[in-house]
Amino acid sequence: GPKVLQIPSHQIIDMGQMVTLNCDPVSNHLYFYWYKQILGQQMEFLVNFYNGKVMEKSKLFKDQFSVERPDGSYFTLKIQPTALEDSAVYFCASSPLGLGVYAEQFFGPGTRLTVL
Amino acid sequence: GDSVTQTEGLVTLTEGLPVMLNCTYQTAYSTFLFWYVQHLNEAPKLLLKSSTDNKRTEHQGFHATLHKSSSSFHLQKSSAQLSDSALYYCAYNNNRIFFGDGTQLVVKP
Repeated sequence: GPKVLQIPSHQIIDMGQMVTLNCDPVSNHLYFYWYKQILGQQMEFLVNFYNGKVMEKSKLFKDQFSVERPDGSYFTLKIQPTALEDSAVYFCASSPLGLGVYAEQFFGPGTRLTVL
Repeated sequence: GDSVTQTEGLVTLTEGLPVMLNCTYQTAYSTFLFWYVQHLNEAPKLLLKSSTDNKRTEHQGFHATLHKSSSSFHLQKSSAQLSDSALYYCAYNNNRIFFGDGTQLVVKP
Protein backbone atom coordinates (compact mmCIF):
# COMPACT_ATOMS: atom_id res chain seq x y z
CA GLY A 1 0.00 0.00 0.00
CA PRO A 2 0.94 3.66 -0.05
CA LYS A 3 3.91 4.48 2.14
CA VAL A 4 5.11 7.58 3.86
CA LEU A 5 8.84 7.73 4.52
CA GLN A 6 10.60 9.69 7.23
CA ILE A 7 14.24 10.61 7.46
CA PRO A 8 16.07 10.18 9.77
CA SER A 9 14.61 7.47 11.96
CA HIS A 10 16.44 8.80 14.97
CA GLN A 11 18.06 12.17 15.68
CA ILE A 12 20.04 13.18 18.74
CA ILE A 13 20.91 16.84 19.20
CA ASP A 14 21.91 19.28 21.88
CA MET A 15 19.37 21.69 23.31
CA GLY A 16 19.33 24.97 21.43
CA GLN A 17 20.38 23.49 18.13
CA MET A 18 18.22 23.43 15.03
CA VAL A 19 16.75 20.22 13.69
CA THR A 20 14.89 19.41 10.49
CA LEU A 21 12.72 16.35 10.24
CA ASN A 22 12.00 15.14 6.73
CA CYS A 23 8.92 13.45 5.39
CA ASP A 24 8.40 11.96 1.95
CA PRO A 25 4.60 11.72 1.62
CA VAL A 26 2.61 9.51 -0.71
CA SER A 27 3.13 10.87 -4.19
CA ASN A 28 -0.40 11.95 -5.11
CA HIS A 29 -1.42 13.18 -1.70
CA LEU A 30 -2.26 16.80 -1.13
CA TYR A 31 -2.53 17.18 2.61
CA PHE A 32 0.26 16.75 5.09
CA TYR A 33 0.37 16.52 8.84
CA TRP A 34 2.75 16.32 11.75
CA TYR A 35 1.91 14.61 15.03
CA LYS A 36 3.94 14.36 18.23
CA GLN A 37 4.03 11.42 20.58
CA ILE A 38 5.93 11.64 23.83
CA LEU A 39 6.99 8.22 25.09
CA GLY A 40 4.07 6.48 26.75
CA GLN A 41 1.58 9.17 25.86
CA GLN A 42 -1.07 9.63 23.21
CA MET A 43 -0.56 10.93 19.72
CA GLU A 44 -1.13 14.68 19.47
CA PHE A 45 -1.74 16.82 16.43
CA LEU A 46 0.75 19.56 15.63
CA VAL A 47 -0.08 21.01 12.23
CA ASN A 48 -1.63 20.37 8.86
CA PHE A 49 -0.49 21.79 5.55
CA TYR A 50 -2.07 22.20 2.14
CA ASN A 51 -1.15 24.10 -1.00
CA GLY A 52 1.93 25.57 0.57
CA LYS A 53 0.17 26.85 3.64
CA VAL A 54 -0.48 25.90 7.22
CA MET A 55 -4.20 25.23 7.53
CA GLU A 56 -4.42 24.56 11.22
CA LYS A 57 -2.02 24.25 14.11
CA SER A 58 -2.36 23.23 17.71
CA LYS A 59 -1.04 24.84 20.86
CA LEU A 60 1.86 22.41 20.72
CA PHE A 61 3.07 24.04 17.51
CA LYS A 62 5.27 26.61 19.17
CA ASP A 63 6.82 29.65 17.51
CA GLN A 64 10.05 27.70 17.23
CA PHE A 65 8.36 25.26 14.86
CA SER A 66 7.94 25.74 11.13
CA VAL A 67 6.88 23.57 8.21
CA GLU A 68 7.36 23.77 4.48
CA ARG A 69 7.38 21.72 1.33
CA PRO A 70 9.47 23.53 -1.23
CA ASP A 71 8.73 22.54 -4.84
CA GLY A 72 7.17 19.18 -4.05
CA SER A 73 10.19 17.89 -2.22
CA TYR A 74 10.23 16.71 1.36
CA PHE A 75 7.62 18.02 3.76
CA THR A 76 9.75 19.26 6.62
CA LEU A 77 9.31 20.15 10.26
CA LYS A 78 11.98 22.47 11.55
CA ILE A 79 12.54 23.25 15.21
CA GLN A 80 14.79 26.19 15.98
CA PRO A 81 15.92 26.31 18.71
CA THR A 82 15.15 22.95 20.25
CA ALA A 83 14.18 22.45 23.90
CA LEU A 84 14.31 19.42 26.15
CA GLU A 85 10.53 19.03 25.98
CA ASP A 86 10.76 18.58 22.23
CA SER A 87 12.06 15.06 22.78
CA ALA A 88 9.43 12.78 21.28
CA VAL A 89 8.58 10.71 18.25
CA TYR A 90 7.30 12.85 15.40
CA PHE A 91 4.99 11.22 12.92
CA CYS A 92 4.31 12.58 9.50
CA ALA A 93 1.06 11.71 7.73
CA SER A 94 -0.48 12.46 4.37
CA SER A 95 -3.89 12.10 2.84
CA PRO A 96 -5.38 12.57 -0.62
CA LEU A 97 -8.37 14.57 0.54
CA GLY A 98 -8.80 17.56 2.73
CA LEU A 99 -11.84 18.27 4.78
CA GLY A 100 -11.53 15.37 5.99
CA VAL A 101 -14.45 13.54 6.59
CA TYR A 102 -13.66 10.05 5.39
CA ALA A 103 -10.09 10.47 4.29
CA GLU A 104 -7.60 8.06 5.70
CA GLN A 105 -4.30 9.46 6.79
CA PHE A 106 -1.23 7.37 6.05
CA PHE A 107 1.46 7.58 8.69
CA GLY A 108 5.21 7.36 8.35
CA PRO A 109 7.30 5.26 10.74
CA GLY A 110 8.24 8.27 12.84
CA THR A 111 11.43 10.10 13.73
CA ARG A 112 12.60 9.71 17.29
CA LEU A 113 14.05 13.05 18.38
CA THR A 114 16.20 13.17 21.49
CA VAL A 115 17.22 16.59 22.78
CA LEU A 116 20.04 16.50 25.30
CA GLY B 1 -15.59 21.02 21.10
CA ASP B 2 -14.91 17.76 19.31
CA SER B 3 -13.72 14.89 21.45
CA VAL B 4 -13.23 11.16 21.46
CA THR B 5 -13.33 9.23 24.72
CA GLN B 6 -11.79 5.86 25.38
CA THR B 7 -12.58 4.83 28.91
CA GLU B 8 -10.02 2.04 29.32
CA GLY B 9 -6.37 2.91 29.38
CA LEU B 10 -5.29 -0.70 29.66
CA VAL B 11 -7.08 -3.91 28.82
CA THR B 12 -5.40 -7.19 29.70
CA LEU B 13 -6.90 -10.49 28.72
CA THR B 14 -6.08 -14.07 27.90
CA GLU B 15 -5.68 -15.33 24.37
CA GLY B 16 -8.94 -16.65 22.97
CA LEU B 17 -11.21 -14.40 24.99
CA PRO B 18 -13.36 -11.73 23.33
CA VAL B 19 -12.16 -8.17 23.01
CA MET B 20 -14.21 -5.03 23.47
CA LEU B 21 -12.65 -1.58 23.51
CA ASN B 22 -14.99 1.30 24.21
CA CYS B 23 -15.21 4.52 22.24
CA THR B 24 -17.66 7.39 22.48
CA TYR B 25 -17.45 10.66 20.67
CA GLN B 26 -18.74 14.18 20.60
CA THR B 27 -18.69 16.19 17.41
CA ALA B 28 -20.55 19.05 15.83
CA TYR B 29 -19.73 17.83 12.30
CA SER B 30 -20.55 14.88 10.12
CA THR B 31 -19.68 11.63 11.80
CA PHE B 32 -16.79 9.65 10.43
CA LEU B 33 -15.10 7.42 12.97
CA PHE B 34 -11.92 5.41 12.76
CA TRP B 35 -9.97 2.86 14.72
CA TYR B 36 -6.19 3.01 14.35
CA VAL B 37 -3.82 0.38 15.72
CA GLN B 38 -0.23 1.11 16.71
CA HIS B 39 2.14 -1.73 17.41
CA LEU B 40 5.24 -1.08 19.46
CA ASN B 41 7.72 1.18 17.67
CA GLU B 42 5.54 1.35 14.58
CA ALA B 43 3.34 3.98 12.97
CA PRO B 44 -0.42 3.95 13.52
CA LYS B 45 -2.33 2.10 10.85
CA LEU B 46 -5.97 2.32 9.96
CA LEU B 47 -7.92 -0.69 11.20
CA LEU B 48 -11.56 0.27 10.63
CA LYS B 49 -13.62 3.20 9.54
CA SER B 50 -17.30 3.96 9.31
CA SER B 51 -19.81 6.68 8.63
CA THR B 52 -22.97 4.63 8.33
CA ASP B 53 -25.28 4.38 11.29
CA ASN B 54 -25.95 0.88 12.62
CA LYS B 55 -23.83 -0.85 9.98
CA ARG B 56 -21.19 -3.34 11.10
CA THR B 57 -17.71 -2.78 9.65
CA GLU B 58 -15.16 -5.59 9.71
CA HIS B 59 -11.44 -5.93 9.03
CA GLN B 60 -8.79 -8.40 10.12
CA GLY B 61 -11.16 -10.13 12.52
CA PHE B 62 -12.13 -6.90 14.26
CA HIS B 63 -15.51 -5.27 13.90
CA ALA B 64 -17.26 -2.14 15.00
CA THR B 65 -20.70 -0.62 14.54
CA LEU B 66 -21.31 3.10 14.56
CA HIS B 67 -24.30 3.97 16.72
CA LYS B 68 -25.16 7.61 16.32
CA SER B 69 -27.96 7.41 18.86
CA SER B 70 -25.44 6.64 21.59
CA SER B 71 -22.42 8.30 19.92
CA SER B 72 -20.46 5.09 20.18
CA PHE B 73 -18.05 3.13 18.01
CA HIS B 74 -16.82 0.23 20.13
CA LEU B 75 -14.20 -2.14 18.75
CA GLN B 76 -14.77 -5.86 19.14
CA LYS B 77 -13.16 -9.16 18.27
CA SER B 78 -14.53 -12.59 19.10
CA SER B 79 -11.21 -14.18 20.02
CA ALA B 80 -8.04 -12.31 20.97
CA GLN B 81 -4.66 -13.34 19.58
CA LEU B 82 -1.24 -12.62 21.01
CA SER B 83 -0.46 -10.52 17.96
CA ASP B 84 -3.36 -8.21 18.79
CA SER B 85 -1.33 -6.69 21.61
CA ALA B 86 -0.99 -3.04 20.64
CA LEU B 87 -2.24 0.48 21.29
CA TYR B 88 -5.66 1.14 19.80
CA TYR B 89 -6.90 4.63 19.05
CA CYS B 90 -10.45 5.61 18.33
CA ALA B 91 -10.39 8.70 16.18
CA TYR B 92 -12.48 11.26 14.39
CA ASN B 93 -11.32 13.13 11.33
CA ASN B 94 -12.15 16.76 10.61
CA ASN B 95 -9.19 17.80 8.50
CA ARG B 96 -7.00 16.48 11.26
CA ILE B 97 -7.33 13.42 13.37
CA PHE B 98 -8.74 13.78 16.84
CA PHE B 99 -7.28 10.80 18.65
CA GLY B 100 -8.68 9.41 21.83
CA ASP B 101 -6.25 8.73 24.64
CA GLY B 102 -5.75 5.21 23.34
CA THR B 103 -6.31 1.80 24.90
CA GLN B 104 -3.34 -0.47 25.43
CA LEU B 105 -4.42 -4.04 24.72
CA VAL B 106 -2.26 -6.76 26.24
CA VAL B 107 -3.07 -10.33 25.27
CA LYS B 108 -1.45 -13.02 27.41
CA PRO B 109 -1.07 -16.73 26.65
